[in-house]
Amino acid sequence: GIQVEQSPPDLILQEGANSTLRCNFSDSVNNLQWFHQNPWGQLINLFYIPSGTKQNGRLSATTVATERYSLLYISSSQTTDSGVYFCAVYRDDKIIFGKGTRLHILP
Amino acid sequence: DSGVTQTPKHLITATGQRVTLRCSPRSGDLSVYWYQQSLDQGLQFLIQYYNGEERAKGNILERFSAQQFPDLHSELNLSSLELGDSALYFCASSLTGSAQNSYEQYFGPGTRLTVT
Repeated sequence: GIQVEQSPPDLILQEGANSTLRCNFSDSVNNLQWFHQNPWGQLINLFYIPSGTKQNGRLSATTVATERYSLLYISSSQTTDSGVYFCAVYRDDKIIFGKGTRLHILP
Repeated sequence: DSGVTQTPKHLITATGQRVTLRCSPRSGDLSVYWYQQSLDQGLQFLIQYYNGEERAKGNILERFSAQQFPDLHSELNLSSLELGDSALYFCASSLTGSAQNSYEQYFGPGTRLTVT
């Protein structure tokens, strides 16, 4: 089946820093979504981005479907950005999640 | 608040028992998805319903079953529970739900199941 790999697995940054999270997938997909799981366990939609670039405040995402990767950019990190970031791909009526990137922002 | 509700928030039960988790989708959403999140397996897709019909199956065990009712709420039934079933169970909903016309999913707060 399709493999979804996220990197890095863990990231510790100082407040105010920028970061780039990567999601690679092994085959073509119908759609891709980025989520943030906060320390309380809630899964929050960030981007629904099968291709192209989207921006929402300090966050932006780019998916290059032909090269099978997506990037999530976080600028001017805040402590509330801490948590786990997942990408999920849609393929053949199934949704496959990566293992996530655990981000810890230090005050 | 995503608009998706799940009950109960926490559930503690013993091995061999059966439990039912409930999910109400966002208003207007026709698709409901169930996921299991455990420490060793990560987030896994279990099953999807669309407008009352099963649409897709993931890694759902035979001991587990689900249904979606005419009012579009869904229930996930877990039976003959084992210690390894302890996990966070999420429900999500979307407007529609085919891979080709999939819409973004919105997640509920989850039900934390502990099997002792």
